[in-house]
Amino acid sequence: AQSVTQLGSHVSVSEGALVLLRCNYSSSVPPYLFWYVQYPNQGLQLLLKYTTGATLVKGINGFEAEFKKSETSFHLTKPSAHMSDAAEYFCAVTNSGTGNQFYFGTGTSLTVIP
Amino acid sequence: DAGVIQSPRHEVTEMGQEVTLRCKPISGHNSLFWYRQTMMRGLELLIYFNNNVPIDDSGMPEDRFSAKMPNASFSTLKIQPSEPRDSAVYFCASSSEGGGYGYTFGSGTRLTVV
Repeated sequence: AQSVTQLGSHVSVSEGALVLLRCNYSSSVPPYLFWYVQYPNQGLQLLLKYTTGATLVKGINGFEAEFKKSETSFHLTKPSAHMSDAAEYFCAVTNSGTGNQFYFGTGTSLTVIP
Repeated sequence: DAGVIQSPRHEVTEMGQEVTLRCKPISGHNSLFWYRQTMMRGLELLIYFNNNVPIDDSGMPEDRFSAKMPNASFSTLKIQPSEPRDSAVYFCASSSEGGGYGYTFGSGTRLTVV
């Protein structure tokens, strides 16, 4: 079975400050991990993903995430928050098997304070 | 590619009426997913298809909900009869087999049942 836990349903940061959104996963097989972003009144957009290889992955808009197997974590970071980063962020896990059902976290709403 | 296309974008209907939501996945994707998003329950997987075959419909809330995928380029989600508690944003997503590519989400259908 697979699952994702996102710690903190709401995170507020000041503009220019570090963004850190936490995601921990549970998986009995090597996971594929994803972060999605949802802007108001829009669908979910893929931000970045980890499948194999380098554990530090870079995505769009300056975001990056690091896969840490020992900590079963895939936290999302951005060095300097911008007002346009305000959105809902979802972490998701799947695996390489066929069927590829994704398991999403409950989401973290990011507020950027000017 | 135009991405995952959902229609209509907005639907307002009266309680008891039949509602049909439509989805056109990305060409070549062989998995299709229907999600429902509400403030209270977040993202819920309703049903997903692999190669046009329903694989898991355990998320379908009740018999009033039904989904079909008659071919690789079209799927419908039907609610009959609709109720106010069905009001939500319904997302369709598609992906390629293997899981490593992530989902591509449509823009969603905002359903309001009055």
